[in-house]
Amino acid sequence: QLQLQESGPGLVKPSETLSLTCAVSGGSRSSSGYYWGWIRQPPGKGLEWIGTTFYSGSSYYNPSLKSRVTISVDTSKRQFSLKLRSVTAADTAVYYCAAQYCSGGSCYAYDPWGQGILVTVSS
Amino acid sequence: DIQMTQSPSTLSASVGDRVTITCRASQSISRWLAWYQQKPGKAPKLLIYEASSLESGVPSRFSGSGSGTEFTLTISSLQPDDFATYYCQQYNGLHTFGQGTKLEIK
Repeated sequence: QLQLQESGPGLVKPSETLSLTCAVSGGSRSSSGYYWGWIRQPPGKGLEWIGTTFYSGSSYYNPSLKSRVTISVDTSKRQFSLKLRSVTAADTAVYYCAAQYCSGGSCYAYDPWGQGILVTVSS
Repeated sequence: DIQMTQSPSTLSASVGDRVTITCRASQSISRWLAWYQQKPGKAPKLLIYEASSLESGVPSRFSGSGSGTEFTLTISSLQPDDFATYYCQQYNGLHTFGQGTKLEIK
């Protein structure tokens, strides 16, 4: 069974870069069928899609964050990463990583998800 | 950008009730819609994918329908464990989540 685990600093200063990693373990499907995504949730608010990357390295981003975001994958280490530049207090949120499997014209949605990591932007 | 409008934002219901949550897309997304359940402090849990496919292990009282721009999640007989927040998500290209529906006990 595929499992995901986020890691990274829980506190980032304003104007700096938020960097998170999602470690992938388990699973029996080919990793080439997975899209790896990041989603965030500000305290008390709804879910916001940040972006997703494919094993080939192609990435797709939320237009509202695109200028500040980079998502990359390292298949050899079985992990993928999120970098969000020039953060402000508005970027304070629980950040989730998640996996989406697509094959043969069907695409499942995000499952599984990591447990989430709270990142606070504050000086 | 595709916008998702989810309604209602809050729903009060009792155990045993049948409830329906609606999600409307600003343009056609075919069948590329998912529904998630989220409880406080937990990651979202996938219930439905491709608009109407039930995720393995999810109780059959949950069902999804729709295509194009109009979608619904129905819980046929509410159980105590179902009181949570529900989100729709479109994944036709770039992804978007709905605003969420908080299902409360009446």
